Amino acid sequence: KAGVTQTPRYLIKTRGQQVTLSCSPISGHRSVSWYQQTPGQGLQFLFEYFSETQRNKGNFPGRFSGRQFSNSRSEMNVSTLELGDSALYLCASSFALPGEQYFGPGTRLTVT
Amino acid sequence: AQKVTQAQTEISVVEKEDVTLDCVYETRDTTYYLFWYKQPPSGELVFLIRRNSFDEQNEISGRYSWNFQKSTSSFNFTITASQVVDSAVYFCAEGVKGSNYKLTFGKGTLLTVNP
Repeated sequence: KAGVTQTPRYLIKTRGQQVTLSCSPISGHRSVSWYQQTPGQGLQFLFEYFSETQRNKGNFPGRFSGRQFSNSRSEMNVSTLELGDSALYLCASSFALPGEQYFGPGTRLTVT
Repeated sequence: AQKVTQAQTEISVVEKEDVTLDCVYETRDTTYYLFWYKQPPSGELVFLIRRNSFDEQNEISGRYSWNFQKSTSSFNFTITASQVVDSAVYFCAEGVKGSNYKLTFGKGTLLTVNP
């Protein structure tokens, strides 16, 4: 079974731009979560989607948004990029067991 | 609010040594889940174990073992006879009932196993 895939793997943007990251979960997994990983703050939860509905949300500004499609694929969008948004963005999918999430390789976003 | 503390920022051992990674969690919930993940240099987090708050049995999987003690709010991870391939950052995480898909992670412990 194919794992979680994320595209693109690397991205360089400038301040003020917006970016869209994509995540394809493991086949059959309906829950998709997003995390931001930075050296200073570590791994922080962004949001979680299940059946196209956002079920959980972390403490991030409204510039961070996401959505999930009917095939469980998910996208997250960051508008008006700031230097501090530079991070590794990880997507994880889950089938049923709470929290047993399987992570993708991440998208490394650099904002200049 | 949940909080997970991994006091050890970095640990360095020589191959074949045993090493224990500490994890202390804080929660007011009675139902919660604890996890360990491994992040090798490639960056992809790898799920290692899930334990729920009602199951304090220790678990062993090959060279890995986990010690869950509710009395001290700890969920420690031991690698026996460490190998170079065990070098990675290890994260402890917690999820609570009702928000089980939202994990709170510790800051991680960088384990370096030297040959």
